[in-house]
Order: sequence, then C-alpha cells, then structure tokens
Amino acid sequence: AQTVTQSQPEMSVQEAETVTLSCTYDTSESDYYLFWYKQPPSRQMILVIRQEAYKQQNATENRFSVNFQKAAKSFSLKISDSQLGDAAMYFCAYRTDSGGGADGLTFGKGTHLIIQP
Amino acid sequence: DARVTQTPRHKVTEMGQEVTMRCQPILGHNTVFWYRQTMMQGLELLAYFRNRAPLDDSGMPKDRFSAEMPDATLATLKIQPSEPRDSAVYFCASGFSNQPQHFGDGTRLSIL
Repeated sequence: AQTVTQSQPEMSVQEAETVTLSCTYDTSESDYYLFWYKQPPSRQMILVIRQEAYKQQNATENRFSVNFQKAAKSFSLKISDSQLGDAAMYFCAYRTDSGGGADGLTFGKGTHLIIQP
Repeated sequence: DARVTQTPRHKVTEMGQEVTMRCQPILGHNTVFWYRQTMMQGLELLAYFRNRAPLDDSGMPKDRFSAEMPDATLATLKIQPSEPRDSAVYFCASGFSNQPQHFGDGTRLSIL
C-alpha cells in the first residue's frame, strides 16, 4: 500500500518570504501522480499543483512550484512571496495511474501553514 | 464554474439514527469518490464508483456504511446505525479520466 508522509505538522513564514513544505511517499509503482491540495478554514479542498511521475520537469503554477525527486520519493512544495491568503492546511496526495481513469487519493496528514504579517 | 454539490452541509443527529449524505458530481465526470476527514485519521478514501459501478469500497466499514449511485447525477453515502465515532467531515469528489478530482464542500456530521 502506498503511504504519504508530511513531517511538518506546522510551519510559519513571514509575509512575502518563501516557504517549503516537505512530503515523502512510498510506492512500488512507476507511474503515478502527486498533488498538493490547500484547505483553508472554509474546509474547501483546492488543488494547488500536480505532477506526473513520468515528467522530469518540475511543475509550476504562478508562485507555487514543486521539487520532485523520483528516486528519493520526495515531493516538496515551494511557495514564493507568501501572502496572507496562503494560510491554510496543505495536503500532499498520491494517486496511482491505472490507465483506466482516476483512482482514489492517498493523503498525508497535512501541514498547517501560518503566514505572519 | 462547475462544482460538486453536497447536501446537507451540516448534520447533527443522535446515535442510532440513519444518516444519508448526498452528492451531485460535475456533469460529465464518470468517477465519484467518498472521503472522510477526522483529526485522528486525516483524510481517508472510503469508496469510489466509475460509470456508477462500485470499484473499491475497502475503506468503508461494511456493517453500517453503504454507498450507492442510483443515477449519474446522484451518489449517496448512508450510515445505519450511526455511532459517535462516525463524527467527521465527509467529502465527495468527482473526476474524469486522469484529470484531477474536484471536491465538494463536505458534510460535517456530528453524532451525539
């Protein structure tokens, strides 16, 4: 079974600074997807960024980027120029690529990100 | 923007009562997922359907939980009888092919 580990229960960063959230995973699969989801207090689950395992290039979405190290099974999220609206729980998630369609996600326990004004 | 719709948003009921949560997936999405979020266990996959057929319900307690998809626009998750340990936020999500899943706003369930 796949597992996802987020070793930082809580992180704090000054507004406008850069912060990196860590995620490691365990799998025997070679094809899979990795995601970062954001959950603000409203409890919505918002997709931040996704990475296909077969792609060597790290995904980027505006101020959000990942450092994907497939051999190390590491998938960290970097948030640049942190904003107050970035404060939330961040979940790392894994999904197999069965080829038949979307499969269920395996989530880490989450990292609570605090933005200091 | 198309959204996954979940009802009710909140539910408070007494132990032993039947609870039904509903989900309307995004039109055109053929896969529907149910997740549960608790402080202790985090987010867990309970079950999911593709083209209305159950694919995996291994995460769901079979004795009291049941999930169905009567038609393409409605998925239900039932708990009977409910217990205090079932208190959680239940999320429905829908997806298509290898596209990312879209989540509903969740149902916060409290069993007294």
